[in-house]
Amino acid sequence: DQQVKQNSPSLSVQEGRISILNCDYTNSMFDYFLWYKKYPAEGPTFLISISSIKDKNEDGRFTVFLNKSAKHLSLHIVPSQPGDSAVYFCAASAQGGSEKLVFGKGTKLTVNP
Amino acid sequence: KAGVTQTPRYLIKTRGQQVTLSCSPISGHRSVSWYQQTPGQGLQFLFEYFSETQRNKGNFPGRFSGRQFSNSRSEMNVSTLELGDSALYLCASSLDRVGYGYTFGSGTRLTVV
Repeated sequence: DQQVKQNSPSLSVQEGRISILNCDYTNSMFDYFLWYKKYPAEGPTFLISISSIKDKNEDGRFTVFLNKSAKHLSLHIVPSQPGDSAVYFCAASAQGGSEKLVFGKGTKLTVNP
Repeated sequence: KAGVTQTPRYLIKTRGQQVTLSCSPISGHRSVSWYQQTPGQGLQFLFEYFSETQRNKGNFPGRFSGRQFSNSRSEMNVSTLELGDSALYLCASSLDRVGYGYTFGSGTRLTVV
C-alpha cells in the first residue's frame, strides 16, 4: 500500500519556465511534508518542507503548496535551471515529523537549456 | 562539519552471503535511519535507531538487521543475500526527531550476483 504517490515518473521543462512536481498521500495522519532532491551517485538532499498548519512555504525559487482536503502537495520551481535536473522525492511524516519518513517513488526532472 | 559517511561505497556479493554496511552520522546526531532505494520502489524505510535502541522498523524480513553503537555510528547487516537485495542503501542522521532535519549519506551500492 503506497501511502505517498508521485504519479509522474518524469517531467521535462525548458529553462526559465516553471516546473511543477506533484505528490499525493493517503494517510491522514501525515502532518509534515518534505521534498528532497537527488543527483545520481549522491544521497538525497533536503530541499523544502511544510507543516500541515500551513498551505504554502517558500524558499527562493522553490515553493511548496499543501492542499490538505485533497491530500495533495506540489513543488513549484521558478525559474527552472539546468542544474535543477535531478530526481525529486516527496516525503511525509506523522507526529509533526517525529515519525519515520515515507517517500514517494520520485519524479525525474529534466530542465533543457 | 563532516556529513554522513557511509562505507563502503560499492560492494559486490554472492547470493547466500552476508554483508555489513556502516554509517557514521553527523557529529551530535543521535538518530540514524536506513533506507533501501531500488528503481521500482523508491526509498523504503528499513529501520531507525536512536541512542542505541531501535525506535522504528519497516516491513523488511528478519534477514535485515541493524545496530547502533554508543558513539551513534550504525551498522546494518543483511544475511543470506538474495538477488533482489541489490540496491542503494542510504543512511540518514538527524538530531533527535526522525523525519525532521534528515541528512543523507551518499549510500552504499550493493550488487548481489
